[in-house]
Amino acid sequence: AQSVTQPDIHITVSEGASLELRCNYSYGATPYLFWYVQSPGQGLQLLLKYFSGDTLVQGIKGFEAEFKRSQSSFNLRKPSVHWSDAAEYFCAVEGLTGGGNKLTFGTGTQLKVEL
Amino acid sequence: DAGVIQSPRHEVTEMGQEVTLRCKPISGHNSLFWYRQTMMRGLELLIYFNNNVPIDDSGMPEDRFSAKMPNASFSTLKIQPSEPRDSAVYFCASSSSGFNSPLHFGNGTRLTVT
Repeated sequence: AQSVTQPDIHITVSEGASLELRCNYSYGATPYLFWYVQSPGQGLQLLLKYFSGDTLVQGIKGFEAEFKRSQSSFNLRKPSVHWSDAAEYFCAVEGLTGGGNKLTFGTGTQLKVEL
Repeated sequence: DAGVIQSPRHEVTEMGQEVTLRCKPISGHNSLFWYRQTMMRGLELLIYFNNNVPIDDSGMPEDRFSAKMPNASFSTLKIQPSEPRDSAVYFCASSSSGFNSPLHFGNGTRLTVT
């Protein structure tokens, strides 16, 4: 069964600083990987996804993520954080299960941005 | 596109009462998912449907929980009887079929059982 680990529960960065959110996955085959963002009182919104090809993927809002098979990681990065990026971020892996595909989420990383 | 629509946004009920949560997926999406989010357990997949048929309900916690999808544009999640530990935010999400089709989430229903 697939699983996702986000080792950082909370991260605080200053506005304008760079950001990296960690994600490690466990899956027996080539994974399909996603990052979602959740603002307070909202559902999750897709930031970016990886399923093949270039291991560096670009997403919305200036985010990018790099797939590293050797490290089983899919870390999310942003060169310069804006105050509006404060939210909770979820990494997810998709895998087959009993007749369909299933998305498994990590426990999330809460990002706080200091002005 | 109105997105995934969930109702109600908030529900407060007393223990033992029946609760019904509703979801309208995005038109044309043929997969629908129900998730529960709590501080303790994070996001848990409860059940998902493909072409209105339940595919995996292994995440449904107990027999008190049931879900239906009578047609492609509507789904319900019912809890009967409700208990305080059911208090959570329940999300519905939909997607096109196939791998790497992203989920589109509704804004959730915050359920409080007193």
